[in-house]
Amino acid sequence: EVQLVQSGAEVKKPGESLKISCKGSGYSFTSYWIGWVRQMPGKGLEWMGIIYPGDSDTRYSPSFQGQVTISADKSISTAYLQWSSLKASDTAMYYCVRHWVPAAHFDYWGQGTLVTVSS
Amino acid sequence: QSALTQPASVSGSPGQSITISCTGTSSDVGGYNYVSWYQQHPGKAPKLMIYDVSNRPSGVSNRFSGSKSGNTASLTISGLQAEDEADYYCSSYTSSSTLVGFGGGTKLTVL
Repeated sequence: EVQLVQSGAEVKKPGESLKISCKGSGYSFTSYWIGWVRQMPGKGLEWMGIIYPGDSDTRYSPSFQGQVTISADKSISTAYLQWSSLKASDTAMYYCVRHWVPAAHFDYWGQGTLVTVSS
Repeated sequence: QSALTQPASVSGSPGQSITISCTGTSSDVGGYNYVSWYQQHPGKAPKLMIYDVSNRPSGVSNRFSGSKSGNTASLTISGLQAEDEADYYCSSYTSSSTLVGFGGGTKLTVL
């Protein structure tokens, strides 16, 4: 069974750093792209970027380029999303997804990681 | 502002059919057969319902169907059931640097 299991909810202060994770299982982790999708409170879905764990090829949405870093450790089948300096506007639910390229659909979703940034 | 345009809400009675539209441009919906649809219940992760315009993943009810005409894709749900009440999002590959665009979402209410 394909699963993407994300790390737990986080509460941080503005300016702090954060790295959340997404562990894949039940499939060949290095053969599929992993993507990240943001959902701000009460809002819609936003595509952030993707990584191919096989060679760490990474693409970002222009809206998120420079704001976050996507990485992966294929030895432990885990992808990451990290911030170096959080802002209150980063408060959102973040989902990792198994991302088909170029078809751009997401057939498996993690359960989501809620990030709350507040002073 | 979302890349793709969806109605904010639609409603229907049990047993009826409804259609949700998703309008883009020739750079996304109109240019590629890479439109997908997601269902999201409150507090849950989205679920893939349709991919590549009209394909259903295994396990998705055949009451859900997708189509496309020009720059507009559509999701049709027939035989509405109470459990279909949810938010629905379309997405498409786009030739812009964004790679993927989402619609703003449509809230389906089953009356």
